Amino acid sequence: AQKITQTQPGMFVQEKEAVTLDCTYDTSDPSYGLFWYKQPSSGEMIFLIYQGSYDQQNATEGRYSLNFQKARKSANLVISASQLGDSAMYFCAMRSLMDTGRRALTFGSGTRLQVQP
Amino acid sequence: GAVVSQHPSWVICKSGTSVKIECRSLDFQATTMFWYRQFPKQSLMLMATSNEGSKATYEQGVEKDKFLINHASLTLSTLTVTSAHPEDSSFYICSASTGFDTGELFFGEGSRLTVL
Repeated sequence: AQKITQTQPGMFVQEKEAVTLDCTYDTSDPSYGLFWYKQPSSGEMIFLIYQGSYDQQNATEGRYSLNFQKARKSANLVISASQLGDSAMYFCAMRSLMDTGRRALTFGSGTRLQVQP
Repeated sequence: GAVVSQHPSWVICKSGTSVKIECRSLDFQATTMFWYRQFPKQSLMLMATSNEGSKATYEQGVEKDKFLINHASLTLSTLTVTSAHPEDSSFYICSASTGFDTGELFFGEGSRLTVL
């Protein structure tokens, strides 16, 4: 079984500052993928960044970077230079890469980020 | 990038009626589609996994006779909420996979169901 834990129900950050959203995970699979999604009030799920368990380097996508610490089973999202449009719900998720027939994502409880001007 | 379209984006229906939600992959063949349910201010919970041409696999606690899933083609999966009741009101969202490890899974826009 897989489990994702996001311990920050809500976070505030000042515009233009960096913020880290925490995510820890638990899985018995040797091969897995870790994801971060942004969900604005409209409800759509916006893919931000992906990290494979065997990737040697931390993933980066523009202002988003994933601080992957495999030994600690953590996959924190770092957003640099926060913008007002970053205010949204953020979900950490994972899926096993072992079973090609079943690749559903398991989601954490989410963190609501509010960027203040 | 790949696009998944979900329709309708919102629907209001009377208690006891059935509602069908469509999930289409527009520019790729989705061998597997996933249906999630999200209550307000909560996370996404997997309801079922559908593979093209076979019966859906439902998560524990999800009534398969209540939530009918059909994945008749590689580009279309449907979720039918039968005899809907107010407690079925929720945000339903689908995601699609090509079956290969491309990292990203593609989500539809979601469908907000309100049962009166």
